[in-house]
Amino acid sequence: AQTVTQSQPEMSVQEAETVTLSCTYDTSESDYYLFWYKQPPSRQMILVIRQEAYKQQNATENRFSVNFQKAAKSFSLKISDSQLGDAAMYFCACPTSGTYKYIFGTGTRLKVLA
Amino acid sequence: NAGVMQNPRHLVRRRGQEARLRCSPMKGHSHVYWYRQLPEEGLKFMVYLQKENIIDESGMPKERFSAEFPKEGPSILRIQQVVRGDSAAYFCASSPPGHPYEQYFGPGTRLTVT
Repeated sequence: AQTVTQSQPEMSVQEAETVTLSCTYDTSESDYYLFWYKQPPSRQMILVIRQEAYKQQNATENRFSVNFQKAAKSFSLKISDSQLGDAAMYFCACPTSGTYKYIFGTGTRLKVLA
Repeated sequence: NAGVMQNPRHLVRRRGQEARLRCSPMKGHSHVYWYRQLPEEGLKFMVYLQKENIIDESGMPKERFSAEFPKEGPSILRIQQVVRGDSAAYFCASSPPGHPYEQYFGPGTRLTVT
């Protein structure tokens, strides 16, 4: 069965510092998408960044970037210059092989320390 | 362009009552997905619908749960005879035709069963 694993239940980072959240996944597909979602206390799911597996270049969105290692099936999220508003649960997600069903990891709770 | 809309945002039901959750997809989107998030877990796929068609309901509990997406109006997730274990956040997502991987999530409905 396809899996998405986030091995860090909780992380802390000092304001303005950099933090990396890890995610590994398993899929038999060669072409797929990977996503990071942020869920603040409001519980809304906010798309942070998306990576297309066929693109070798790592995706970047302002302070958010990914380190995509396709062979290792690793998809980590780096947050630079952390801000208090970055505090949230972060979920990694990958559609199941050949389908539209997103598989979500169990999440990493990020705390940002002032 | 309004995002995916869900209502109500919060719903309280007593055991045995019915819960109806509504989802209006983004303009131009004809595909709707429902996910459930139990406390301290990631989202789990429930059902995928297109207008007037259920495409995949493999994640739906076999009893008490049903979903529809009529030709006119929002998609509705219906839970009959709710039990305490149904307490969760229910998220709807929509995608444009031909792009099932581009799912945009609504703010969710938090169902509490007392």
